[in-house]
Amino acid sequence: KAGVTQTPRYLIKTRGQQVTLSCSPISGHRSVSWYQQTPGQGLQFLFEYFSETQRNKGNFPGRFSGRQFSNSRSEMNVSTLELGDSALYLCASSLRSAGPSNTGELFFGEGSRLTVL
Amino acid sequence: QQQVKQSPQSLIVQKGGISIINCAYENTAFDYFPWYQQFPGKGPALLIAIRPDVSEKKEGRFTISFNKSAKQFSLHIMDSQPGDSATYFCAANAGGTSYGKLTFGQGTILTVHP
Repeated sequence: KAGVTQTPRYLIKTRGQQVTLSCSPISGHRSVSWYQQTPGQGLQFLFEYFSETQRNKGNFPGRFSGRQFSNSRSEMNVSTLELGDSALYLCASSLRSAGPSNTGELFFGEGSRLTVL
Repeated sequence: QQQVKQSPQSLIVQKGGISIINCAYENTAFDYFPWYQQFPGKGPALLIAIRPDVSEKKEGRFTISFNKSAKQFSLHIMDSQPGDSATYFCAANAGGTSYGKLTFGQGTILTVHP
């Protein structure tokens, strides 16, 4: 079973630009969550999507947005990039369903490392 | 109230020793407490998790101890191996509508010397 796939793995942008990151969840997983990882702030929750609807949102400015498609693939977008947006952006998928198969586990991808110059 | 505090920031252990990492939380709505392991260049991977209806859970060399009244939980790695060298994160989740939202501790960099 293929894991969570994130593209691109690395990218460099300049301040003021925008960026779109993509995430393909594990087959059958309908929930996708996004996290930002930095040395100073650690792992911080951005948002979660389930069935194409945003279910939870973290404490990030409106420049950070996302969406989920009918095949559960998700994208996140950061507009008007700032130097402080340099980070590893992690996507995680989960079953998010009731029942014995639901372990509550989030499966993370390897991340997209964004550098803002 | 959403914080999860993790200590120590870094830990050096000799091969065969016991590694202990501690976490404390404030939000009493948290009902799921996983530990994640992250190697350089990789995403975090679930190591072991516990729910507050039990005080201890063991999987191989890894054990979570949970103290609900103190709002603390810890990870014990027995017989630590060099391959265990990684960053470890505790986390907590309130379930329900916050299902995909984990609140992470700051992480512990574990180094196991051979």
